Amino acid sequence: DTAVSQTPKYLVTQMGNDKSIKCEQNLGHDTMYWYKQDSKKFLKIMFSYNNKELIINETVPNRFSPKSPDKAHLNLHINSLELGDSAVYFCASRHTGGPNTEAFFGQGTRLTVV
Amino acid sequence: GQQVMQIPQYQHVQEGEDFTTYCNSSTTLSNIQWYKQRPGGHPVFLIQLVKSGEVKKQKRLTFQFGEAKKNSSLHITATQTTDVGTYFCANIKTSGSRLTFGEGTQLTVNP
Repeated sequence: DTAVSQTPKYLVTQMGNDKSIKCEQNLGHDTMYWYKQDSKKFLKIMFSYNNKELIINETVPNRFSPKSPDKAHLNLHINSLELGDSAVYFCASRHTGGPNTEAFFGQGTRLTVV
Repeated sequence: GQQVMQIPQYQHVQEGEDFTTYCNSSTTLSNIQWYKQRPGGHPVFLIQLVKSGEVKKQKRLTFQFGEAKKNSSLHITATQTTDVGTYFCANIKTSGSRLTFGEGTQLTVNP
C-alpha cells in the first residue's frame, strides 16, 4: 500500500503542451502539497491545500493550476509548458493537527520539457 | 523568502569520517524537522525537534535543536556508503500549514 502515490513517474513533453500530474494519499491527512525540486535539489513549495481549500499559493506562474477534488487527491495541471518547467515535482501530505506532523512524499514526477 | 538556511550545500567524506549539516534561522523556530532523500528517491522524514536544547539520537545520527531555537544540526558518526543522499531541515510555521525546507546538504561518501 503506497501512502502517497503520484503518476506519472516520468513525463517527457514538448514545449507548449499541456500536461497533468496526479497525486493521491491514503493516509487520511488533511493537508497536501506540491513541491518543485530543481537540479540543485532545492525543494520549493508551490501550493498547499487543506481540506480541499487552497491555503498556500507561492509565486508560481498561473500556467500552473492545482485542483483538489477531495481531501485525498491533489492534481497539478500545467499549461503551455516551458523549458524552465523541467524539474522533479513532489506531492506530499501531512496531518496539521496533533504531535505527528511529519510529511509523507510521493515518489516524484520527473518532468522534462524538450 | 526562505526561513531556514542550511550549510554546507555539498559535503564529500571518506567512509568512516564524521559529517555535520547545520540549519540556521534569523527568527525563533517552533520546531525543526529533518528529512533524508536518497539519490533518485523522495524525501523521507527522520525526526522532529520541538524543545529548546533538545538532543535526539538514532543510531549513528545525532540531532540537536539550539537553546535559542534558531539553529539545529544533524551529525553522523562514522559515515557509511548507505548515508549518501541529501539531508534537509524543515520548519512548520506556527499556523500549521506551511512546511518550508532548507536548501539541503548533499552528502557523498567515498568507500
